[in-house]
Amino acid sequence: SQQGEEDPQALSIQEGENATMNCSYKTSINNLQWYRQNSGRGLVHLILIRSNEREKHSGRLRVTLDTSKKSSSLLITASRAADTASYFCATDPLPSGSARQLTFGSGTQLTVLP
Amino acid sequence: GAVVSQHPSWVICKSGTSVKIECRSLDFQATTMFWYRQFPKQSLMLMATSNEGSKATYEQGVEKDKFLINHASLTLSTLTVTSAHPEDSSFYICRARPGQENYGYTFGSGTRLTVV
Repeated sequence: SQQGEEDPQALSIQEGENATMNCSYKTSINNLQWYRQNSGRGLVHLILIRSNEREKHSGRLRVTLDTSKKSSSLLITASRAADTASYFCATDPLPSGSARQLTFGSGTQLTVLP
Repeated sequence: GAVVSQHPSWVICKSGTSVKIECRSLDFQATTMFWYRQFPKQSLMLMATSNEGSKATYEQGVEKDKFLINHASLTLSTLTVTSAHPEDSSFYICRARPGQENYGYTFGSGTRLTVV
């Protein structure tokens, strides 16, 4: 499976600043999802954006999707030290099927300094 | 929401031994479970797709005789790393899907395997 690319690979910001992470992918998608992973832990689903949506908000999270450019961004506003984690995008590819697999991006390691 | 319980959370074993990792869906029936491996500072790589009552589908490059997957019930899937070697040391995570859509699924908490 083809992995998406995320940039930056690592991002370090001060508490209170905004953090933006980008994800590019290669195939046509049904939806794109963002996940968070604390070190040595499982993944937590953050937000899902469908292919016919361009922007979505959830609390301090804002996700955009540009299917023409095959890219997405995740913005975390007013970051907190507790936001320190790795963030992954994952694409649900087309065509749809009964056992579709997600394809994960390479991840961005976010460090929020207190 | 749907919960997937994965055990053990970490395990250390000697080279040549086998290790079994369990994933249980606690409040839903998981007809499909996905098993991933993640090396340090890397993304998740799909190893295999496990379907209840049938043989697992392995991704290219994953040895099915080494990574045995059993999905004998709708709530339990197991991954057994047989004859483990140090290069098998990794983080293994399962993901279960409550329904047919490819969202609303839940990840297990992961298992850190260290082979010494």
